[in-house]
Amino acid sequence: DAGVTQSPTHLIKTRGQHVTLRCSPISGHKSVSWYQQVLGQGPQFIFQYYEKEERGRGNFPDRFSARQFPNYSSELNVNALLLGDSALYLCASSLVWGMSYEQYFGPGTRLTVT
Amino acid sequence: AQRVTQPEKLLSVFKGAPVELKCNYSYSGSPELFWYVQYSRQRLQLLLRHISRESIKGFTADLNKGETSFHLKKPFAQEEDSAMYYCALSYGGSQGNLIFGKGTKLSVKP
Repeated sequence: DAGVTQSPTHLIKTRGQHVTLRCSPISGHKSVSWYQQVLGQGPQFIFQYYEKEERGRGNFPDRFSARQFPNYSSELNVNALLLGDSALYLCASSLVWGMSYEQYFGPGTRLTVT
Repeated sequence: AQRVTQPEKLLSVFKGAPVELKCNYSYSGSPELFWYVQYSRQRLQLLLRHISRESIKGFTADLNKGETSFHLKKPFAQEEDSAMYYCALSYGGSQGNLIFGKGTKLSVKP
């Protein structure tokens, strides 16, 4: 198993555009979480999905949305991009959701907004 | 609000010296605390969690509820320990999702 995979690795967008980031969890994992990591900061929680339902949402504007597919992969969508959205976006998967289950992180997608 | 504080952005030690990476948290209940590590060009990975009380790669961390701290320690640092270290907290209301500190970069010099 390659672990959690994310695509694309890097992308550059212009202010006002929208972007879709993709994540494939470890085989057998049913929960996916998204984090935003701005340079010099720790990751900040955006969303969690389990069994295709949103189970948690961080303090992010409605421009951010996500979904999970029947195969447990996930997409993060960001509309009306702002310069401040430039960050590393991390996806993490876990077997189920809850405190006792370890999250495994992907390599991230580096988004640059110009 | 729940928060994790790592007061040092950078910690530089010589090989063989003891290391202590500080982490303080704010949460009034019973949190679960973690240390994550990111080596150069690698993904973020779990180093240890307080609930397992393990020693991983010579590192240990003890949860001190009185001081709300979860400091990471190693008696003798190795060059391969050089990495970015993040302390993280999970609690009942977060359903397993993690609140991270800003991280401490550990540099172990030969």
